[in-house]
Amino acid sequence: IAGITQAPTSQILAAGRRMTLRCTQDMRHNAMYWYRQDLGLGLRLIHYSNTAGTTGKGEVPDGYSVSRANTDDFPLTLASAVPSQTSVYFCASSDSGTSAEQFFGPGTRLTVL
Amino acid sequence: EDKVVQSPLSLVVHEGDTVTLNCSYEVTNFRSLLWYKQEKKAPTFLFMLTSSGIEKKSGRLSSILDKKELFSILNITATQTGDSAVYLCAGGSKTSYDKVIFGPGTSLSVIP
Repeated sequence: IAGITQAPTSQILAAGRRMTLRCTQDMRHNAMYWYRQDLGLGLRLIHYSNTAGTTGKGEVPDGYSVSRANTDDFPLTLASAVPSQTSVYFCASSDSGTSAEQFFGPGTRLTVL
Repeated sequence: EDKVVQSPLSLVVHEGDTVTLNCSYEVTNFRSLLWYKQEKKAPTFLFMLTSSGIEKKSGRLSSILDKKELFSILNITATQTGDSAVYLCAGGSKTSYDKVIFGPGTSLSVIP
């Protein structure tokens, strides 16, 4: 692995279903983030994690949860998907404390019907 | 409320033209101004600016920050079709986390 990977690449999901988007980084960055990107609204932060074992809410956290059991992985869970969660989801990481530069994964395109 | 505004929102130019993309920001506890390029998929990092008046260059791209007037510009000289992308400006601040507020982006199309 080089950088950040996300899975799946795309997914079509029925409303009400549970879904976990996976994110893994191999850069040993301590901070990780989940964004959603919607046309006209840009990138909006869902949740963040400054370090393994800690998480926090971003701008649009409702309907989403995250966990950070270790440095490398930062999964995003939709407990009961709704159509308004149709979006492109990006995971990012940064070396918090030294730079605000964030490195992004390739994204997951999620469609909730 | 923190916000980042970009202009223009879209731009069409011919190969060889020079373009200037604008970004203004209002970010509490401002620490840095970042530029990203987004083509089909993930945003890729271009520049991070923390000091006023110091130009950063990478090939045909350059950027400068004015912390007094709260804006930044991204210049692209001798544009090529490969420069076609959405250019995202973002303001970084230090709160309980490394917060980054993204602007809506400028969609640049370079036509032959």
